[in-house]
Amino acid sequence: DAKTTQPNSMESNEEEPVHLPCNHSTISGTDYIHWYRQLPSQGPEYVIHGLTSNVNNRMASLAIAEDRKSSTLILHRATLRDAAVYYCILRDIRDDKIIFGKGTRLHILP
Amino acid sequence: GAGVSQSPRYKVAKRGQDVALRCDPISGHVSLFWYQQALGQGPEFLTYFQNEAQLDKSGLPSDRFFAERPEGSVSTLKIQRTQQEDSAVYLCASSHRGVVPLHFGNGTRLTVT
Repeated sequence: DAKTTQPNSMESNEEEPVHLPCNHSTISGTDYIHWYRQLPSQGPEYVIHGLTSNVNNRMASLAIAEDRKSSTLILHRATLRDAAVYYCILRDIRDDKIIFGKGTRLHILP
Repeated sequence: GAGVSQSPRYKVAKRGQDVALRCDPISGHVSLFWYQQALGQGPEFLTYFQNEAQLDKSGLPSDRFFAERPEGSVSTLKIQRTQQEDSAVYLCASSHRGVVPLHFGNGTRLTVT
């Protein structure tokens, strides 16, 4: 499976935007970029996914570099409830399972 | 609506005991996955079912781990002769087929003493 690289942890202030980076230099043409997050004592939760174009949904935006070797998850206005571990995952179109890395632990400061 | 339900929420087992962990997926979801999450780590893939067929069990750590989904709905993960290193949160997820989101339960926390 292709690998992703994320910072171990990040901090952000409440009510400010947060940009979570992910590098995936070995991405293949059949890999989708998925983001999940895991709040304390809960299972992972789907956030967003994309292939080539930027994507927006009610939770977040996903900005994908033109060469697809990196992407950024954008939380437009962080709240304390957004404190979680965020996982950036490459998922091959032919593969139903997802493989998690270590993720980024996001701390939100009040 | 009902999400993925896992039971029990917590399980304490003495070393050497057998345990069975249950997963009720979202109704109509074809795919079902089991993951193991050690403290402070990301979830590790264990096994995957499509309906009742176990298509991938490459992540099962030993032959003490066994999963089944006999009628293509509820699944059970069984761990025989538990050992301390089996202590972890066991997560179940379900989904439709394809590049679609996985829906996770909140897991069963297994502690082996």
